[in-house]
Amino acid sequence: SAVISQKPSRDICQRGTSLTIQCQVDSQVTMMFWYRQQPGQSLTLIATANQGSEATYESGFVIDKFPISRPNLTFSTLTVSNMSPEDSSIYLCSASASGSYEQYFGPGTRLTVT
Amino acid sequence: AQSVTQPDIHITVSEGASLELRCNYSYGATPYLFWYVQSPGQGLQLLLKYFSGDTLVQGIKGFEAEFKRSQSSFNLRKPSVHWSDAAEYFCAVDWQAGTALIFGKGTTLSVSS
Repeated sequence: SAVISQKPSRDICQRGTSLTIQCQVDSQVTMMFWYRQQPGQSLTLIATANQGSEATYESGFVIDKFPISRPNLTFSTLTVSNMSPEDSSIYLCSASASGSYEQYFGPGTRLTVT
Repeated sequence: AQSVTQPDIHITVSEGASLELRCNYSYGATPYLFWYVQSPGQGLQLLLKYFSGDTLVQGIKGFEAEFKRSQSSFNLRKPSVHWSDAAEYFCAVDWQAGTALIFGKGTTLSVSS
């Protein structure tokens, strides 16, 4: 199994600003994913981040709003840019090893935009 | 499109009573199936998973789930619920290794004394 940590655990930000969320895995993984969980809702995939290539975004999410970096096999960042109150959500990072169906989740970052 | 359905938005059970949470997935090839639990303010914890083999799988915290191919279902059960089981439960599926999970909308479990 993999242990995933996220920073920050929570933040309160003003509209128009940006926040970068870090995701660290304790072992090398092939696939990393970023999800958003809006209040009272289920998880929605934002993008898939592979090391060495551009992130792949789901419909409704764009790189300008949610730029992602994946500099190595254990780390990724998600930036929420030009935030609005609608961006208030929990952002979760997950990871899986090559050929594995099992995914491990970080504890999430609870973002509130005022 | 591939989808996961959790028909029950909110369930309340008495402490000590049995529990069954329903999950159905869209038909097609058998996916890989998961149940996660999310306690208030917490991240997701994997309860159990089904990849192949015995269709009744055991998980943590006394939970089990049964895969029924004919019904495209993967229902979660627990024989005796504890107050600490109150949480949000998500069913998730994956049809291809290395791709993201598809989540159901979740079922909120409340436990009454």
